[in-house]
Amino acid sequence: QKEVEQDPGPLSVPEGAIVSLNCTYSNSAFQYFMWYRQYSRKGPELLMYTYSSGNKEDGRFTAQVDKSSKYISLFIRDSQPSDSATYLCAMRDTGGFKTIFGAGTRLFVKA
Amino acid sequence: DGGITQSPKYLFRKEGQNVTLSCEQNLNHDAMYWYRQDPGQGLRLIYYSQIVNDFQKGDIAEGYSVSREKKESFPLTVTSAQKNPTAFYLCASSRIGGEVGYTFGSGTRLTVV
Repeated sequence: QKEVEQDPGPLSVPEGAIVSLNCTYSNSAFQYFMWYRQYSRKGPELLMYTYSSGNKEDGRFTAQVDKSSKYISLFIRDSQPSDSATYLCAMRDTGGFKTIFGAGTRLFVKA
Repeated sequence: DGGITQSPKYLFRKEGQNVTLSCEQNLNHDAMYWYRQDPGQGLRLIYYSQIVNDFQKGDIAEGYSVSREKKESFPLTVTSAQKNPTAFYLCASSRIGGEVGYTFGSGTRLTVV
């Protein structure tokens, strides 16, 4: 079993829809939870991160962490065609150095 | 502008050849990393370095080598011992402590011909 599981999609939604992207994990020591966005043939860029449980909002993006269920989510409101990309979750523990990445979910937002 | 520069963007290798991928950063980050990305498998760590003249193997180091002679530079050599080198290679850097997350380069697509 992988430490981080992420549905690769693809996920196709109409413009303006609310998008939900999710990851599950098995290591209860993970404390930092990150979401990266990767456009085709580019490197990932950090969208946002949360520490431990709870929600964090940044514009149209909301990250949620449920440590009791070992489940994290990224919500995108009012999705735009420019949001079409691969979204990778990533996580690490407090003292550790290594970050574990999910496989990424490919998102298409249709105009 | 600060960032990470990877070159070349595309690279073709013949069977049995060694090739070197360049990674340079001007962010004054201490730590640098090399990842390999294959479809459906996410990013897998090849090597990382926290300080000049020191580096550690990641999860898939076999067939690869690195050096860290300068803080700004962390080149990756894909040797002939790497049996399946066709992939997208990503270099990243980060501060140690405090800031969370990596800054990535734009990647190098390596293809064996």
